[in-house]
Amino acid sequence: NAGVMQNPRHLVRRRGQEARLRCSPMKGHSHVYWYRQLPEEGLKFMVYLQKENIIDESGMPKERFSAEFPKEGPSILRIQQVVRGDSAAYFCASSPYTGTENSPLHFGNGTRLTVT
Amino acid sequence: EDKVVQSPLSLVVHEGDTVTLNCSYEVTNFRSLLWYKQEKKAPTFLFMLTSSGIEKKSGRLSSILDKKELSSILNITATQTGDSAIYLCAGGNSGNTPLVFGKGTRLSVIA
Repeated sequence: NAGVMQNPRHLVRRRGQEARLRCSPMKGHSHVYWYRQLPEEGLKFMVYLQKENIIDESGMPKERFSAEFPKEGPSILRIQQVVRGDSAAYFCASSPYTGTENSPLHFGNGTRLTVT
Repeated sequence: EDKVVQSPLSLVVHEGDTVTLNCSYEVTNFRSLLWYKQEKKAPTFLFMLTSSGIEKKSGRLSSILDKKELSSILNITATQTGDSAIYLCAGGNSGNTPLVFGKGTRLSVIA
């Protein structure tokens, strides 16, 4: 049973370019979360999606950032016109639906974005 | 705003020592507290705690939740160099709502 798959592992972009980060959740998981991690910082929530729906995007900057989780295919986090401050590790996590209890999140290995 | 605070932020110990990592939380409609271990890559799940006073144990690691004090501790006994990692604490409220993470404790175990 494959875990959460993220690609690419490393991504280098010049200022002003676009970055696309992909995440395939664990088999059977219908909930996807994106987190950003800066050095010496914890994981900061960005966006929570289910298939074809954004449930909570309260942690995502309103400009330049967007996310989707289409019916078919991986979840995509898209950053347009990247700036140096976007350099970070971006982690995707997935969980199954379990009703009212919290589900432990299962994380991918992350994408390390470097903006030059 | 919900928040989770961990202490210490970093810790250096010798192999064989016992360590205690702390986590305090302010989470609206709190349901559970989770601990993760992060080495170079993905955070890996350690424990989920929902009931106060009940210790969860896995090998040399154990954790307990105190809902009255809004806190949790993670204990590691007889530490090994392989325990060196960042330990993350997260609080959650109901259902599948996003977890709120602390900044983590960076543990270094030296031989």
